[in-house]
Amino acid sequence: AQTVTQSQPEMSVQEAETVTLSCTYDTSESDYYLFWYKQPPSRQMILVIRQEAYKQQNATENRFSVNFQKAAKSFSLKISDSQLGDAAMYFCAYNQGGKLIFGQGTELSVKP
Amino acid sequence: SAVISQKPSRDICQRGTSLTIQCQVDSQVTMMFWYRQQPGQSLTLIATANQGSEATYESGFVIDKFPISRPNLTFSTLTVSNMSPEDSSIYLCSARDSGSWNEQFFGPGTRLTVL
Repeated sequence: AQTVTQSQPEMSVQEAETVTLSCTYDTSESDYYLFWYKQPPSRQMILVIRQEAYKQQNATENRFSVNFQKAAKSFSLKISDSQLGDAAMYFCAYNQGGKLIFGQGTELSVKP
Repeated sequence: SAVISQKPSRDICQRGTSLTIQCQVDSQVTMMFWYRQQPGQSLTLIATANQGSEATYESGFVIDKFPISRPNLTFSTLTVSNMSPEDSSIYLCSARDSGSWNEQFFGPGTRLTVL
């Protein structure tokens, strides 16, 4: 069965600095989708960025980018120029037949 | 992108009772899902709500405890039956976009507290 692991329960970053959140996954599939979701205290799940496995180019969305290492089954999220509004729980997710399998989450705090 | 609403947003219920949560999507979607998020935990998939047929449940979840309906392509309900304090969680509805990215959109969640 596919699993998703986030080994950092908590991370902290200074405002305007850069932080990287780690995610590894296990799958025997060759084509799949990976996502990072953000969940602020409002508990609304917000899609941050997505990556299709067959695309070698790392996805980028403004200040958010990923480092996708398919062979290593690693999918880390880099947040540049961190802002106070980035403080939230971040979940890595793997798409399996339309269903999402989530990692345990990383709580990110941003210090002013 | 799909916009999803849920009712109620929160509720406090007594042990042994049942609560039905409604999920409404503003456009037709191919797939709808129900997730549970226990306090301080990640999201766990309960079931896939199938239009016109019985829901597909994940391991550890059964229809008698979590009956699900999906009468059309924009609406679904989840009932939490015979509740116990262990059912206190956030329940989230999601819908899968039919586009190529397999993107899922989430509702705002229903916070359930069982006393």
